[in-house]
Amino acid sequence: DAGVIQSPRHEVTEMGQEVTLRCKPISGHNSLFWYRQTMMRGLELLIYFNNNVPIDDSGMPEDRFSAKMPNASFSTLKIQPSEPRDSAVYFCASSRGQGVKNIQYFGAGTRLSVL
Amino acid sequence: DQQVKQNSPSLSVQEGRISILNCDYTNSMFDYFLWYKKYPAEGPTFLISISSIKDKNEDGRFTVFLNKSAKHLSLHIVPSQPGDSAVYFCAGSSNTGKLIFGQGTTLQVKP
Repeated sequence: DAGVIQSPRHEVTEMGQEVTLRCKPISGHNSLFWYRQTMMRGLELLIYFNNNVPIDDSGMPEDRFSAKMPNASFSTLKIQPSEPRDSAVYFCASSRGQGVKNIQYFGAGTRLSVL
Repeated sequence: DQQVKQNSPSLSVQEGRISILNCDYTNSMFDYFLWYKKYPAEGPTFLISISSIKDKNEDGRFTVFLNKSAKHLSLHIVPSQPGDSAVYFCAGSSNTGKLIFGQGTTLQVKP
């Protein structure tokens, strides 16, 4: 079975450019999560969706970040304009349900470098 | 305002010995805790969990202990194996499905 698929795996961009990260959750999963990993703060939840609807976006750092889930099999995380402090690994995860006992399955991540 | 803290960035143990990874939390509303394991260039994978109504949960070589009064949990790996070398994240949740992760601890198990 295919797991959570993220693209691209690596992204290098210049400050001020728009960056779009993509995620395909596991088929049949109806909850999707976007995380950011940094050395200082570990894994931070940015936003999560349930049945394609954003439930909690309190972790989104600022208005430069936006996320969409147009259908059950695709989500994007966009940063516009990007800044060097956005450099991190971004993970997408999905789970079968919203409750905490539904295990979250993570993609391999996108390593973003903003120069 | 880190609600989950892993104060040891790294840990090194000898193969066959016990590895103990620690985690502290501040949010009294957490009622479920999880450990995830992460290898380089891969996403985290679920390892073991514990409900706040328990103080211990065991799965093979992995045991998680919860001390609610101290707001502390630990993951024990016995015996440690070189393949256990990874970053370990603990997380807490208040049953919303939202996980709050710590910074992670890098475990190195030496042959």
